[in-house]
Amino acid sequence: DADVTQTPRNRITKTGKRIMLECSQTKGHDRMYWYRQDPGLGLQLIYYSFDVKDINKGEISDGYSVSRQAQAKFSLSLESAIPNQTALYFCATSVGTGGTDTQYFGPGTRLTVL
Amino acid sequence: RKEVEQDPGPFNVPEGATVAFNCTYSNSASQSFFWYRQDCRKEPKLLMSVYSSGNEDGRFTAQLNRASQYISLLIRDSKLSDSATYLCVVNGDSGYALNFGKGTSLLVTP
Repeated sequence: DADVTQTPRNRITKTGKRIMLECSQTKGHDRMYWYRQDPGLGLQLIYYSFDVKDINKGEISDGYSVSRQAQAKFSLSLESAIPNQTALYFCATSVGTGGTDTQYFGPGTRLTVL
Repeated sequence: RKEVEQDPGPFNVPEGATVAFNCTYSNSASQSFFWYRQDCRKEPKLLMSVYSSGNEDGRFTAQLNRASQYISLLIRDSKLSDSATYLCVVNGDSGYALNFGKGTSLLVTP
C-alpha cells in the first residue's frame, strides 16, 4: 500500500461548490504539505503543517483552507471553487524540516472546476 | 525573478547519450538542494540531494556552485526509462518549504 494517499484522485466540480481533498499517510511523519501544480509551472505551496496544532500559509493560500485532523491526516478545502483553481494537487510529508529533508508525495488529485 | 530557474527544454536525446541540466537559484541563503524526477502526471520523487562537494549516484552526477548559485545534473548513458521531467528544488527563505523549478523535460529515444 502507498505511504501517502490522496482522495479523490480525480474530481470535476462546478464554480461555487465546496470541495474537500483528503490526504492520509502511514509514514509517521509530523510534517505535511499541500501543493498545486499547473501545466508548465512549478509546484506552489498552499499550506503546510508541522503538527496537529500548527498550520501555516504557503505562497498561494487565498481561496483555500486546511484541517489537520490527526498526525496522519491533512485535508485541503476549497470553500467556493473557481475555474482558476483547476490544477493537479499534491500532498506531501516529511519527517523533519521540510527544507532539508526529503518530501514524499501522494499520487495527486486532478481537480477540474467548470 | 523566479527563485529557481531551469533550462527550458525539452531535451530529446538518443539512448546512450550524455545530457546535462542546469538550474540557477536566487536565494543566496539556501542550504538544501535537490533534484526530483516527475513522470508524466505522477508525483515528484526524490532523485538525489545535491551536496557542496558534488555527488554521484550511478549514472547521475549532481554539482553545486554556491558562488554562482548554480546546480547541475548530468546523466550518462541515457536509458529510455530516464524519460521524465527533472525538477530542480531549493529550500526557501523560511527553511521549511521547498521552491520548485518548472522542470526540464527529457525524452530519450531508441
